[in-house]
Amino acid sequence: EPEVTQTPSHQVTQMGQEVILRCVPISNHLYFYWYRQILGQKVEFLVSFYNNEISEKSEIFDDQFSVERPDGSNFTLKIRSTKLEDSAMYFCASSTTSTYEQYFGPGTRLTVT
Amino acid sequence: AQSVTQLDSQVPVFEEAPVELRCNYSSSVSVYLFWYVQYPNQGLQLLLKYLSGSTLVKGINGFEAEFNKSQTSFHLRKPSVHISDTAEYFCAVSALNTGGFKTIFGAGTRLFVKA
Repeated sequence: EPEVTQTPSHQVTQMGQEVILRCVPISNHLYFYWYRQILGQKVEFLVSFYNNEISEKSEIFDDQFSVERPDGSNFTLKIRSTKLEDSAMYFCASSTTSTYEQYFGPGTRLTVT
Repeated sequence: AQSVTQLDSQVPVFEEAPVELRCNYSSSVSVYLFWYVQYPNQGLQLLLKYLSGSTLVKGINGFEAEFNKSQTSFHLRKPSVHISDTAEYFCAVSALNTGGFKTIFGAGTRLFVKA
């Protein structure tokens, strides 16, 4: 069964450093998403992406964040200058259309020290 | 805008007992409703979804949920729980906003099944 994959599974970085989280969505999906979950808290929407542009973003997704689909298979989330409060689990998701279920990846745990 | 409220942060229950995890939502537009399960240190797994049609939807692992439009609820039920059902359960709604579709998650309900 096709699945969303994410790399790395765990990333440790120092405050102020740039990080890129990578995702490979399911191949025939057209909508892509990033969510984050701070430890012990709920899953929060960050951004949705369709047709090579952002279609929706939350107030969390400020200028420090960017997303890109650099080729036909990868979908990346970049944090330019990480802060301690960026420490969280980041989930990528994809869907065939924006009304159907989103398939979630296993997540990348980002730890900012 | 949409919002999701999970009325119970924790639900302890004995093994083989029935359980109901409550979820209420608000939205000014039509929504699609989901329940996800998250086992410790793992990602999100879809349990079931309501898109349209029958208001009673069945999912994996013996779970089911009923969409009640008048009460704006989508409660999750299981008639007999197992120890292995211990996990965090998230209710989610997806709807079309001005900038596209977005899914909003509830705060989660921790189901703790005791022997």
